[in-house]
Amino acid sequence: AQKITQTQPGMFVQEKEAVTLDCTYDTSDPSYGLFWYKQPSSGEMIFLIYQGSYDQQNATEGRYSLNFQKARKSANLVISASQLGDSAMYFCAMRGKAAGNKLTFGGGTRVLVKP
Amino acid sequence: DAMVIQNPRYQVTQFGKPVTLSCSQTLNHNVMYWYQQKSSQAPKLLFHYYDKDFNNEADTPDNFQSRRPNTSFCFLDIRSPGLGDAAMYLCATSRDRGMGNTEAFFGQGTRLTVV
Repeated sequence: AQKITQTQPGMFVQEKEAVTLDCTYDTSDPSYGLFWYKQPSSGEMIFLIYQGSYDQQNATEGRYSLNFQKARKSANLVISASQLGDSAMYFCAMRGKAAGNKLTFGGGTRVLVKP
Repeated sequence: DAMVIQNPRYQVTQFGKPVTLSCSQTLNHNVMYWYQQKSSQAPKLLFHYYDKDFNNEADTPDNFQSRRPNTSFCFLDIRSPGLGDAAMYLCATSRDRGMGNTEAFFGQGTRLTVV
């Protein structure tokens, strides 16, 4: 079985500052993918960034970077230079072959960016 | 251009009256998912199709059924909606070759209200 945990239900961040969203996971699958999604109040789920379990380098995508620590089973999202439009729910998710490749989500972290 | 389209965006149905939500995709992806998301919670996987193979989650109530007549379309049928079924329903697709390394693309969701 695979499990995703996000321990921060909500957080405030000052505009233009960086913020780190925590994500830990548990799986026995040697091959898996980790994903971060953003869900604004409109409800759509927006893909942000992906990290593969065999990737040697941490993924980056514009202002988003993923701090992947495989031994600790963590995949934290870092958002640099926060903008007001970053206010949203953020979900960490994973897929693994042993779990039938289904996409499983963590509980989410609500981020509010203050001007 | 929208790649995963859910219709309708908002659906109001009566208690106990069958309702069908639809999802279509232009991505030719082989995997399609249906998630239920209640307010301030993580999306909960109801079932998914891997090609034509239907995969039901163990805790998905029998009240929820699905059909995938072809690659492009997938339907969620709620046979007798109860008040507890009011939620956002998200459809997602992914191209999967068993590696778990591709992101899922989501539609904008259908918000279901049961009256």
